[in-house]
Amino acid sequence: NAGVMQNPRHLVRRRGQEARLRCSPMKGHSHVYWYRQLPEEGLKFMVYLQKENIIDESGMPKERFSAEFPKEGPSILRIQQVVRGDSAAYFCASSQAGSDGNTIYFGEGSWLTVV
Amino acid sequence: GENVEQHPSTLSVQEGDSAVIKCTYSDSASNYFPWYKQELGKRPQLIIDIRSNVGEKKDQRIAVTLNKTAKHFSLHITETQPEDSAVYFCAAKGIGGDYKLSFGAGTTVTVRA
Repeated sequence: NAGVMQNPRHLVRRRGQEARLRCSPMKGHSHVYWYRQLPEEGLKFMVYLQKENIIDESGMPKERFSAEFPKEGPSILRIQQVVRGDSAAYFCASSQAGSDGNTIYFGEGSWLTVV
Repeated sequence: GENVEQHPSTLSVQEGDSAVIKCTYSDSASNYFPWYKQELGKRPQLIIDIRSNVGEKKDQRIAVTLNKTAKHFSLHITETQPEDSAVYFCAAKGIGGDYKLSFGAGTTVTVRA
């Protein structure tokens, strides 16, 4: 049973370019979460999605960031016009139906570097 | 939303000693409290979790306690080993429409050989 799969693992973008990060949840998991981790800092919630639905995007910056989880295919976190401050590790996590107490598993992360 | 505070931010212990990390949470409706261990450059890995109907849970050298009245929970690592050196995060999960995990700021644990 494969775990949460993220790609790319490492991504370098120049300022102003777009970054697309992909996440395939664990088999049987229908809920996806994205977290951002700045260097030597904690995990900050960004967005929680179910298939074709954004449940909670309270942690998403208002501009340049968007996320989707289509009916088919992986969840995508998209960052437009990247700036140096976007450099961070972006972790995707998944769980079964989001009722109380379901375990959340993390992927290996995507490390974005903006130069 | 849920607010989780974690202390201490750094912890250095001698190999073989115990390490204790404490967290408090704000939302009395939270009922799921996992702990994650993160090594440098790697993903957070779940090491133990506790649900609100349980006061204590143990798994070999790791134990977690929960005090729902006081809204705090703690991680205890006994007989620490060098491979326990990592950053540890506590988290709390709300119920109802708020299912996301809210994390503490993390504790960097260093086990001195």
